[in-house]
Formats: sequence, structure tokens, C-alpha cells
Amino acid sequence: SQTIHQWPATLVQPVGSPLSLECTVEGTSNPNLYWYRQAAGRGLQLLFYSVGIGQISSEVPQNLSASRPQDRQFILSSKKLLLSDSGFYLCAWSGFRELFFGEGSRLTVL
Amino acid sequence: GIQVEQSPPDLILQEGANSTLRCNFSDSVNNLQWFHQNPWGQLINLFYIPSGTKQNGRLSATTVATERYSLLYISSSQTTDSGVYFCAAGGILTGGGNKLTFGTGTQLKVEL
Repeated sequence: SQTIHQWPATLVQPVGSPLSLECTVEGTSNPNLYWYRQAAGRGLQLLFYSVGIGQISSEVPQNLSASRPQDRQFILSSKKLLLSDSGFYLCAWSGFRELFFGEGSRLTVL
Repeated sequence: GIQVEQSPPDLILQEGANSTLRCNFSDSVNNLQWFHQNPWGQLINLFYIPSGTKQNGRLSATTVATERYSLLYISSSQTTDSGVYFCAAGGILTGGGNKLTFGTGTQLKVEL
């Protein structure tokens, strides 16, 4: 069966520091991969998606970037964090139908 | 882009009660999913239901695609049902991915 993992689970970083969140999927090949953010409150916003290695689409302009160096690996990065980057970041994968989410990474920028 | 609205925003139930959560979407969709976010933040898949009716234990869902709404029914609620319920709707991306837009959720609290 397919599984998805992301880490770290919790992160506290100072303003201006770099960020790297990693997500990996097991048990499937060529998945579609996604990064969502859930800010204070409840809504989830799609940040990036990827349909293949090296193929990244950005949904909103921001301080973050994404990369897909391997088929089942998706990385969310920033060179310099802002206070507004705080939130709950969720990685997800899909085939042609359902999305499945990882456990999430809670980022606090101080 | 597509708009997704959920109601009610908050709901408090006594254990054993039934409830209906509603999701309205602004355009035709190829994908509609219901999720439950647990207290640890993880999103648990409940239903993939772009049309029709499905049931899983005490939960069932119905999507009427032509009228652009979906309903989630919770029967005989339990305290473990507490959390936030999200509806997400969308279409197929170029290359085969899914672009889901999430509603703002229904916060459910089930009390003893």
C-alpha cells in the first residue's frame, strides 16, 4: 500500500533563516505531488504541485519554492523565512483520483 | 477559480445525535472529497465522491453534481467524531494531477 511521510513534524525558526521540508511517497510510481499550507484558521491553500520530476507549478507568489529531485520526493524550501510563513504545511500525493495527505509539518517563525 | 462554501461553520452535538454538513461549489467538478482533520492536524480521507452516494459505517455522503452541492451525514455521533470536516472540490490538472480547492470547514464538537 502507498504511504506518505513528511518531516520534520515541528520546526521553530528565526526570521531570515532558511527552510527545508521534505516529503516522500512509498508504494507508487510517478505520483502527482502537492504542498498545501494551512494558516491560522482553517482554510488550506495549494502552494505547489508537480506531475513529474523537475516539473513544478506554483499557485501563489510567495517566499517559498519547491523542488522534485526524485520521482517520489518533494521538497519545500525558503532562503529567508518571514513571520508570515508560519503555518501548518501539508504534503499530498495523488494518482488520477484521490488526494492523500502526510502528517503535516508545523512551522513557527519567530 | 472554483469557490467552495461549507455550512455550518461550527456545530455542537450531543453524543448519539445525527447531523448533516453541506458543501456548495461554484462550478462543475471532476473531483470532490470529504476529509476529517483530527486533533493532531492530519487529514483523514472520508469519501471520494464527485457524484452519487456512498456509505461507510455511520458516515455517508451524497453529491448532486448538477446542482453543485454535496452532503455529509454523520449518524449516532461519537466524541471521536469531533474535529474539522473539510470538503474539497476541483478538476483535473494538465498532466493528470488534481487541483482541489478547500472549503473553510465545519468544526464539530460532540459532547457526552
